[in-house]
Order: sequence, then C-alpha cells, then structure tokens
Amino acid sequence: GAVVSQHPSWVICKSGTSVKIECRSLDFQATTMFWYRQFPKQSLMLMATSNEGSKATYEQGVEKDKFLINHASLTLSTLTVTSAHPEDSSFYICSARRETQYFGPGTRLLVL
Amino acid sequence: GIQVEQSPPDLILQEGANSTLRCNFSDSVNNLQWFHQNPWGQLINLFYIPSGTKQNGRLSATTVATERYSLLYISSSQTTDSGVYFCAVGGNMLTFGGGTRLMVKP
Repeated sequence: GAVVSQHPSWVICKSGTSVKIECRSLDFQATTMFWYRQFPKQSLMLMATSNEGSKATYEQGVEKDKFLINHASLTLSTLTVTSAHPEDSSFYICSARRETQYFGPGTRLLVL
Repeated sequence: GIQVEQSPPDLILQEGANSTLRCNFSDSVNNLQWFHQNPWGQLINLFYIPSGTKQNGRLSATTVATERYSLLYISSSQTTDSGVYFCAVGGNMLTFGGGTRLMVKP
C-alpha cells in the first residue's frame, strides 16, 4: 500500500510555455500533499504544501504565481509551472501524507 | 528553521563491508524518516523512526531523540545499496538533510 504516482515522468518544453505535473495517491486518500524540487547532486527542497479544498502554502522564496498548485480531490494534486524558463529545469517530486510521507517517482523537467 | 546535517557526504565501500551513516538535527522532532534515493530518483522509505531502534534485513536504524541524532547501519553492503541516503525530520513537513552518497563497488 501507500503508492504515489506522478505524470509525466519527464517533459521537455520550450521557454515560455506552461507545464502541468500530476501527483496521485493510488491506494489511499491524502488531504495533504507536498511538492519538492531537487537540483542535480543536491537535496530535496520543499516548495509548497498542498491542502485538499484550500489554497496551497508556499515556502519562502517560491513564487506562487509561477508554481500554481491545485488539490482538487483527495487523491490528486497538480503543479503547473507557468511561463517556464531554463532555470526552472529540475527534478520535481511530490509526496502524499498518510501516517508518514510517501513519495512519487518524480518528474524531470527540461526547459529549452 | 530546523537544521539537518548528514555525514559523511560521500562514502565508497567494497561489497560486503558495513557502514554507519549519521544524521544530526538541531531541534526536537516528532517525525524522522530515512530514505534511499535510487539512481532513477525514486525515494524509497526505509524507516520511520522518531525514537528507538528498528531493523529491516541488513538495515537498521537508531534514533536518540534526546541527543538529536539518528544512525543508519548498513551491513554486508551490496552493489544495489548504492545511491543517496537521506534523513528527513519534522512534524507535518519534512526538512531533508544533505544526504550521503554511497557507492558500493563489486
């Protein structure tokens, strides 16, 4: 149990376009999901906490207008990177909280 | 916020060797987890261990909450143990340490 999926697993896009990443808890309901970003050879940095039915809570330094988070159901949270630029290229990982946090497989984003 | 430090940052082992990874944290926590990030980036839960000792096969972990540290023991290491080991602490939200990058050579 406690499986979290992400889609897509990787995406390449042109600068200026928007990209949506989905995070799903497959076998449990999660009122809280989290979005992290990881640059090469670095640790995971929390971007935001996604709460079902309410606005996301963003960490300091994360632009809420650039990284739009929607948690429309108890099994789905989405992260939309708007007007993506090359510096947004990274590995984005979501997690869903049950008794502990369970992590998705991540999405590699490359912005050209 | 809470600070999490892991040591060593890099570790190279010969297959069959044992190792100890350390995680120090700066404040009291009610959640501490150890993860293994495989070469494809997937984070695998190893232990949820806010205190005490747990064992799972060749892996075991001990957290001494009063002294604010946790240890992850890997015995008889295998090449498949290679990857990055993270500890993460917190309550509702997790703060990750910098990780220990482990390479096990055959």
